[in-house]
Amino acid sequence: AQSVAQPEDQVNVAEGNPLTVKCTYSVSGNPYLFWYVQYPNRGLQFLLKYITGDNLVKGSYGFEAEFNKSQTSFHLKKPSALVSDSALYFCAVRDWGGATNKLIFGTGTLLAVQP
Amino acid sequence: NAGVTQTPKFQVLKTGQSMTLQCAQDMNHNSMYWYRQDPGMGLRLIYYSASEGTTDKGEVPNGYNVSRLNKREFSLRLESAAPSQTSVYFCASSDPSGSGGGYNEQFFGPGTRLTVL
Repeated sequence: AQSVAQPEDQVNVAEGNPLTVKCTYSVSGNPYLFWYVQYPNRGLQFLLKYITGDNLVKGSYGFEAEFNKSQTSFHLKKPSALVSDSALYFCAVRDWGGATNKLIFGTGTLLAVQP
Repeated sequence: NAGVTQTPKFQVLKTGQSMTLQCAQDMNHNSMYWYRQDPGMGLRLIYYSASEGTTDKGEVPNGYNVSRLNKREFSLRLESAAPSQTSVYFCASSDPSGSGGGYNEQFFGPGTRLTVL
């Protein structure tokens, strides 16, 4: 079965420090991976994706993610956290089951950046 | 260009009442999706429509029906609401197949917060 795991319900980091939000995956086909962010009372916004190519993917708002095939991971990173980065972050992977295009989402990680 | 719009933003129902959540997108996307978001559960797919004229069940379809009215609109209906359907509902759209074999992301609406008493 295909799945995505976000092992941390919450990540706390001080403003200015680097942040990492973890994601691991299990898929039957090529791993197409995504990160989304959700601010309070808003819909999900796309941050970045990995389809193929360079293992380090750069996205919106200074975020990047590193694809690691041997560890089946796709961790989200940012060199210097901002208070405004505080939000709920979701990792997702393409679902290769069936004939259509769906995403499987993780349960989300709440990022709290303290001033 | 409004992207994905959803109505209503909030709704309170009594058990057994029915209602329809509306979703529209102006990006000319082929595929549309309905999700529910519950604490600790992430997003779970209720129904999706790969293209105009087709709909399929997702992970949690029981108690829901959908209609792909045209390419722009995809509605979700609760025929007899239950407290277990209290949730935040998101509609999304995408054109999954990108150029050169890519794969495109989904775009999400702002959500409908539904409470069933």
